[in-house]
Amino acid sequence: SQELEQSPQSLIVQEGKNLTINCTSSKTLYGLYWYKQKYGEGLIFLMMLQKGGEEKSHEKITAKLDEKKQQSSLHITASQPSHAGIYLCGADILAGNQFYFGTGTSLTVIP
Amino acid sequence: ETGVTQTPRHLVMGMTNKKSLKCEQHLGHNAMYWYKQSAKKPLELMFVYNFKEQTENNSVPSRFSPECPNSSHLFLHLHTLQPEDSALYLCASSHPQGGSGANVLTFGAGSRLTVL
Repeated sequence: SQELEQSPQSLIVQEGKNLTINCTSSKTLYGLYWYKQKYGEGLIFLMMLQKGGEEKSHEKITAKLDEKKQQSSLHITASQPSHAGIYLCGADILAGNQFYFGTGTSLTVIP
Repeated sequence: ETGVTQTPRHLVMGMTNKKSLKCEQHLGHNAMYWYKQSAKKPLELMFVYNFKEQTENNSVPSRFSPECPNSSHLFLHLHTLQPEDSALYLCASSHPQGGSGANVLTFGAGSRLTVL
């Protein structure tokens, strides 16, 4: 079964537009991690959220974790072509090293 | 360069071949992972090693055989694979932070496997 669901599956936006990607779990998460992947390459760590209600920002990307620690969103402000790629949320579902990933969101930014 | 190196980057093999994928990290991490990424499917966790001991085997077919001789090296031995095993195989390592729960995985660039 899929532990983490992401939406949307794909997104095409005009450069300069804002966008949001969502990640939902049916279980309480120990930690929620956001990664970015360029096609055919490895994943690059973006941000980690651990506390309910936590919000972190890096450059134009903001990630939030809800109070119940079951839902997270990734928001990109004023998107640029460099933001294009696949965004994945990942989490420790259980204690220990069972680290699972969401279905991924493919982002295309049109110049 | 993330500190996790995977070789080879590309591999083409027949169904009767035996080959191996290699992963190496010198980040001082004690946990290492194999993931499989197929087109239009989520990343699938295959194996987890913690201090060289296998802690997870996610119902992976026996034609995939992992080996972790030490905390810095991880192998995936491949034998009599099927065309549907063609995928990007990603290795990752981490240093779980115990009480704080933080477990940031660092990934290699992946090995693209094609089974003919």
